[in-house]
Amino acid sequence: DTGVSQNPRHKITKRGQNVTFRCDPISEHNRLYWYRQTLGQGPEFLTYFQNEAQLEKSRLLSDRFSAERPKGSFSTLEIQRTEQGDSAMYLCASSLRRKNTEAFFGQGTRLTVV
Amino acid sequence: AQSVTQLDSQVPVFEEAPVELRCNYSSSVSVYLFWYVQYPNQGLQLLLKYLSGSTLVESINGFEAEFNKSQTSFHLRKPSVHISDTAEYFCAVSGKLYNQGGKLIFGQGTELSVKP
Repeated sequence: DTGVSQNPRHKITKRGQNVTFRCDPISEHNRLYWYRQTLGQGPEFLTYFQNEAQLEKSRLLSDRFSAERPKGSFSTLEIQRTEQGDSAMYLCASSLRRKNTEAFFGQGTRLTVV
Repeated sequence: AQSVTQLDSQVPVFEEAPVELRCNYSSSVSVYLFWYVQYPNQGLQLLLKYLSGSTLVESINGFEAEFNKSQTSFHLRKPSVHISDTAEYFCAVSGKLYNQGGKLIFGQGTELSVKP
């Protein structure tokens, strides 16, 4: 087991372009979470999936953001029409839906919008 | 709803000195409590967690934290720090309703800087 994997690690894009990030969770984990972390701040919850169902979305997740987990395995987070304010580290985490389990984080994708 | 306040944004300390990173939380429901550590350009690693039972929890690398329900605090301590402990530390809570330690509310972080 190689842990939670996120790709790409870094992404630089021009304002207005669309970007997509991928997260591969730990294989037996059925819950997957996306967080956003801006410089000097703690991570902020964006959304989470249980298997393929998206169970909760934060108000931070504007309509330019969409996340999918089509087969209950990997997940993608797409940002359309990127803005400079989208520049951040996007973190993915996974966990088991079981009492007393912890979330394991990937190394994140750092997005820079220029 | 929950919120987390980390009372110090930066804590400079000399090597082998003791350190305490403070964390207070607010919640209308019972919570699980966590400390995560983040090294530069890395994701978060779980340092320790309080789920139930003994209010004093320990990590494998010498950190400990004590859950104080009356003061709604979960301060992190280490009696003697090393250069390698230099990192950003995040306190986080998860409502027990979610029962999984997944959806986390984080504090703003404390940057621990250990100097030789």
